[in-house]
Amino acid sequence: QQQVKQSPQSLIVQKGGIPIINCAYENTAFDYFPWYQQFPGKGPALLIAIRPDVSEKKEGRFTISFNKSAKQFSLHIMDSQPGDSATYFCAASRSSGGYQKVTFGIGTKLQVIP
Amino acid sequence: DVKVTQSSRYLVKRTGEKVFLECVQDMDHENMFWYRQDPGLGLRLIYFSYDVKMKEKGDIPEGYSVSREKKERFSLILESASTNQTSMYLCASSSPSGTDTQYFGPGTRLTVL
Repeated sequence: QQQVKQSPQSLIVQKGGIPIINCAYENTAFDYFPWYQQFPGKGPALLIAIRPDVSEKKEGRFTISFNKSAKQFSLHIMDSQPGDSATYFCAASRSSGGYQKVTFGIGTKLQVIP
Repeated sequence: DVKVTQSSRYLVKRTGEKVFLECVQDMDHENMFWYRQDPGLGLRLIYFSYDVKMKEKGDIPEGYSVSREKKERFSLILESASTNQTSMYLCASSSPSGTDTQYFGPGTRLTVL
């Protein structure tokens, strides 16, 4: 049972393009939505995150759009560069007994072609 | 600079062997996690620990156990390795807060023959 559905699984864009990765969730108890970026041979690292009371958050070339009513959120990468080639995981977390229980999507492998 | 280290980057074991994967964090974090990463399945939580000697089952604990004797160290144990446990294993740690950002190690690629 996939609590956080992520698509597409893979994505190829030209340099300068705007890749978009989409995620959807069902559990309305989720209260924090981070995105993690993973380069080959490395562990995932936090990229950007949003709370459901905000519809958009931007950090540099990375933007999260959040639609609470539709229970969907997405990552946009403006002016994508070859160095952005990585696997991206969306996630959703909720408070559970004093800690945040995190559920990850299946990941999107992004390739940015020069 | 925060750091999570894992004892091995690559490991090859035989079916039935007992396997230990070690993880150490230097951030004094209370929470530690073990995930496995498989293509098309993403990151799946095996076990986590929110304090020394405390552990909780994640989504796929079958065939695994864990040990946390010291705050900085969290071990994953495969009592009798099987081929379906061939995977990338990732350790993470976090500190209880409003966000609980998880800091991941580089992973251990385990192959069970």
